[in-house]
Amino acid sequence: GAVVSQHPSWVICKSGTSVKIECRSLDFQATTMFWYRQFPKQSLMLMATSNEGSKATYEQGVEKDKFLINHASLTLSTLTVTSAHPEDSSFYICSAPDRGLRFSNQPQHFGDGTRLSIL
Amino acid sequence: KQEVTQIPAALSVPEGENLVLNCSFTDSAIYNLQWFRQDPGKGLTSLLLIQSSQREQTSGRLNASLDKSSGRSTLYIAASQPGDSATYLCAVSPSTDKLIFGTGTRLQVFP
Repeated sequence: GAVVSQHPSWVICKSGTSVKIECRSLDFQATTMFWYRQFPKQSLMLMATSNEGSKATYEQGVEKDKFLINHASLTLSTLTVTSAHPEDSSFYICSAPDRGLRFSNQPQHFGDGTRLSIL
Repeated sequence: KQEVTQIPAALSVPEGENLVLNCSFTDSAIYNLQWFRQDPGKGLTSLLLIQSSQREQTSGRLNASLDKSSGRSTLYIAASQPGDSATYLCAVSPSTDKLIFGTGTRLQVFP
């Protein structure tokens, strides 16, 4: 079935590094993708909506210049954490709605997440 | 602003018990409500989805109900098993795709 591939699954890097996370829909087109962040023992918080061919829509309190989102094709969205610091350490998950499954029991596909650790 | 709360935050039960997990939301204008399972360090597995016009959905040992007017949903797990141990998240859709997640219930089922 249709899946969303998220890469990398785990990143450890030094403070000040920029980190890029990819979210790819493998056998369906995703004009919209969502990026979530999850801190330990907390729920998922929506960060932004990635729109193919246009600017992303950010949720209140999320810094646009800190979390750069690019959705240049119908199958790929990227989230870049710029100049990452320890407080950016978190679990990042993307999701993509599958328009063909809108009325099914699983209208969205989730990536497996990226665990980001900033030293 | 939509807020989604889940009770209890954590639950530890012996194998075989029937369980009820609760989810409440503040704005009844939702498109649908979903229940997910998340294993430690992993992504999400969709369990059940209830459209706003529906009252309940069932899948195997799982049954989810929705009372949109009161802003409540329950997930019923029958005959719990150790393999059910995970965090359970409910999420509401204020529109067709966006999800607002609840605070989660961490379930441990011991043999």
